[in-house]
Amino acid sequence: GQNIDQPTEMTATEGAIVQINCTYQTSGFNGLFWYQQHAGEAPTFLSYNVLDGLEEKGRFSSFLSRSKGYSYLLLKELQMKDSASYLCAVMDSNYQLIWGAGTKLIIKP
Amino acid sequence: GAVVSQHPSWVICKSGTSVKIECRSLDFQATTMFWYRQFPKQSLMLMATSNEGSKATYEQGVEKDKFLINHASLTLSTLTVTSAHPEDSSFYICSARMLAGHNEQFFGPGTRLTVL
Repeated sequence: GQNIDQPTEMTATEGAIVQINCTYQTSGFNGLFWYQQHAGEAPTFLSYNVLDGLEEKGRFSSFLSRSKGYSYLLLKELQMKDSASYLCAVMDSNYQLIWGAGTKLIIKP
Repeated sequence: GAVVSQHPSWVICKSGTSVKIECRSLDFQATTMFWYRQFPKQSLMLMATSNEGSKATYEQGVEKDKFLINHASLTLSTLTVTSAHPEDSSFYICSARMLAGHNEQFFGPGTRLTVL
């Protein structure tokens, strides 16, 4: 079956760095997405990786290793507004998104 | 660019009534639109995938006669929850994917449905 695993919850301190991991097993691979979702709101797009390596976008970076079925989202200089759920999703061979359960990130002052 | 709207943002209805939710891609044409449901503190659950001009493909366990989906144009899809019951209360989110060549899904702001 298809499976996306990510930690349920993480806690970090304002100003610090946090890495959210995601491992996946899917039928085919057409890219991996990271989305941010604040409580009561729809997800917003953060990043898309389809090739191995690191994609940097401001304070956020996303890494992919296809051979290991592994990705991480790195958040630097954490701000209180970064408190949210972070969703990992993989697009399979049918171009369907397979969603992880999300990682709730709690930022403490 | 790539804005998706949903209407209404929230709706409260009586049990047994039907509710229609609209999803529109405002500045692009969407070959495919997706309907998700999200219960509190849970992840997104894909309900169905709809392609313009064809019947929607429903995920296992989703009743197609209860959740009617119409994708009449490249910018509009509707989800109708028929004979709604309290257990249908949830956050319904649509997303849209551009014409072939771009994999990203753009999400609407969601519709919170409460059935009394």
